Amino acid sequence: DGGITQSPKYLFRKEGQNVTLSCEQNLNHDAMYWYRQDPGQGLRLIYYSQIVNDFQKGDIAEGYSVSREKKESFPLTVTSAQKNPTAFYLCASNKQGYGYTFGSGTRLTVV
Amino acid sequence: AQSVTQPDIHITVSEGASLELRCNYSYGATPYLFWYVQSPGQGLQLLLKYFSGDTLVQGIKGFEAEFKRSQSSFNLRKPSVHWSDAAEYFCAVGARGNTPLVFGKGTRLSVIA
Repeated sequence: DGGITQSPKYLFRKEGQNVTLSCEQNLNHDAMYWYRQDPGQGLRLIYYSQIVNDFQKGDIAEGYSVSREKKESFPLTVTSAQKNPTAFYLCASNKQGYGYTFGSGTRLTVV
Repeated sequence: AQSVTQPDIHITVSEGASLELRCNYSYGATPYLFWYVQSPGQGLQLLLKYFSGDTLVQGIKGFEAEFKRSQSSFNLRKPSVHWSDAAEYFCAVGARGNTPLVFGKGTRLSVIA
C-alpha cells in the first residue's frame, strides 16, 4: 500500500548536534511538507516543496534545513541553530484535490 | 492573512451523545476546508474535505461537516459519539493547488461512559 514513512519514530539529540529526520513517500505526490507540533500550538509549517529541487520556507524555518533531490524523499535537518528543537515532527504529502497524507511522526528530544 | 480558529480547546461528551466541534476561518480566496483527527503519538488522518458543491459533506467514521460561507464556518458533527472517537481534531484551510494548509490549534475530545 502507498503511504508516507517517517523515521526514526524517536530521536534524541545532544546539544550542538545536527540531526536528520527522514520522510519517504510512494504515493507519487508532487508536494511535500514538514510541520512541527507542540502541545496546544497546533501544526506550524517549517518548509515545503512543490516540485523536485525546489522548496520554500514556512513560518518557522529558522534552525532547519531541507533538500528535495528526489520526488519520493524530503529529509529535514534540525541544526544546532534551532534552540528549542524538542517537539513532534510531521511530514505530509499532497496531490492536488485530495488533501494531505501524513506520516506517523518523529518525536525529537534534546538530552 | 489566513487563519483558522477552533474556539474549544477541550470538550467532554458522554458516549452516545451528539457532538459538534467548531471551526471558523479567515481566508481571502475560495477556501478548501478539511477536518483531520489525531490519536496520541500518531499522524493525522483525513476525516473529510470540502472543495465545492454541496455544503454538507460526509466523511469517514460517521462524521459530517457543514460549510457556511456567510459565517466563515466549517463545523464538524457526529450524531452519536463512540469511546473510540476520543482524540484531537484539527480544522485546516487551504487553496487550490499545493499551497500549504493552515491548521487550527486543535480541539481535544474526551468521551466518558
